[in-house]
Amino acid sequence: DAGVIQSPRHEVTEMGQEVTLRCKPISGHDYLFWYRQTMMRGLELLIYFNNNVPIDDSGMPEDRFSAKMPNASFSTLKIQPSEPRDSAVYFCASGGRWTGDADTQYFGPGTRLTVL
Amino acid sequence: GDSVTQMEGPVTLSEEAFLTINCTYTATGYPSLFWYVQYPGEGLQLLLKATKADDKGSNKGFEATYRKETTSFHLEKGSVQVSDSAVYFCALSDTGGSYIPTFGRGTSLIVHP
Repeated sequence: DAGVIQSPRHEVTEMGQEVTLRCKPISGHDYLFWYRQTMMRGLELLIYFNNNVPIDDSGMPEDRFSAKMPNASFSTLKIQPSEPRDSAVYFCASGGRWTGDADTQYFGPGTRLTVL
Repeated sequence: GDSVTQMEGPVTLSEEAFLTINCTYTATGYPSLFWYVQYPGEGLQLLLKATKADDKGSNKGFEATYRKETTSFHLEKGSVQVSDSAVYFCALSDTGGSYIPTFGRGTSLIVHP
């Protein structure tokens, strides 16, 4: 398997623009997580899905952030409008209860977002 | 709630030195414990794990033992290499609860030749 795939790897945008981050989890995994990593706050869980259904979005910082998972192989994280304080590395991770290794998270390479 | 505390970095060592990174946890259930490693420019990847008390996880020369009596899971390596320079995250997952992991803040390791 290719692992978790994220795109784009780098995104530079201007304040006020819409940003869409994309994630393809490992095939067969039924959990998908979105994280944000900054120097100040470390690694923060934003939202997670189970079987494509959002289970807990309490980590989403505000209404400007939204996430969807229309099918088992694709998820998006959208920021609209973007602000400079959203600059961070955003990670997608997946995990599978059926694998016998249910608690392990498999991370993608991340998207480095810079909002000017 | 569950929490993980790990020593602050950076930890700076010379090549072939002994490494310890301390990690303690608080959990209401019987968690699985993990160490993840993040190399520069990459995502986190599992280094090792232990699922019950007294289990020892090991990989790539790194070891950690699940100590329930001291609620600890310290990471050790007998002889570090420059290529071990990375950020190390201790984490737990409550197997009887939500499955959602709790991560520590991460400890940066810098190994000099």
